[in-house]
Amino acid sequence: AQSVTQPDIHITVSEGASLELRCNYSYGATPYLFWYVQSPGQGLQLLLKYFSGDTLVQGIKGFEAEFKRSQSSFNLRKPSVHWSDAAEYFCAVSGLAGNMLTFGGGTRLMVKP
Amino acid sequence: EAGVAQSPRYKIIEKRQSVAFWCNPISGHATLYWYQQILGQGPKLLIQFQNNGVVDDSQLPKDRFSAERLKGVDSTLKIQPAKLEDSAVYLCASSLTGESTGELFFGEGSRLTVL
Repeated sequence: AQSVTQPDIHITVSEGASLELRCNYSYGATPYLFWYVQSPGQGLQLLLKYFSGDTLVQGIKGFEAEFKRSQSSFNLRKPSVHWSDAAEYFCAVSGLAGNMLTFGGGTRLMVKP
Repeated sequence: EAGVAQSPRYKIIEKRQSVAFWCNPISGHATLYWYQQILGQGPKLLIQFQNNGVVDDSQLPKDRFSAERLKGVDSTLKIQPAKLEDSAVYLCASSLTGESTGELFFGEGSRLTVL
């Protein structure tokens, strides 16, 4: 069965600092990987996705993620965090393009001024 | 383009009562999902429809939860009778089928509190 682990429940960073959110997945075949963001009172929004090809993928809002098959990881990064990035971030894995997603438990990001 | 619409946004009921949530997906999206998100957890798939047929309902507690998608457009999720542990946000999502981009579009959710 597929699963996703996000080891950090909460992360606090200063505005302007760099950010890395960790994601480890378990899947028996080639995974499709996603990062979603959920702002308070809003629905989940897709930040970026990895299906195949270049292991470094770019997303919206200046985010990027790197797929490392050897480490079963898909960590999310941003070079400089803005206060508006404060939200909850979910990593997800699927065996098919976007269907039957399995989500991690989420990482809540807080941004200090 | 209109997004995924859900109602009601908030619902408070007592245990053993019933509740229904409605979802209208993005026009043209044949696949519709219902997720349950308990506070502090990631969303968990309850049921997936392809048009008006069920693709996966393996995690739907069928003794109390039911869902339908008549005519392959909007959908209703019902809980009867509700339990305390059903308190959660119920998220509806939709996606294109076939050559999918893999992107699910989520509604804002319906927050259920069971007292």
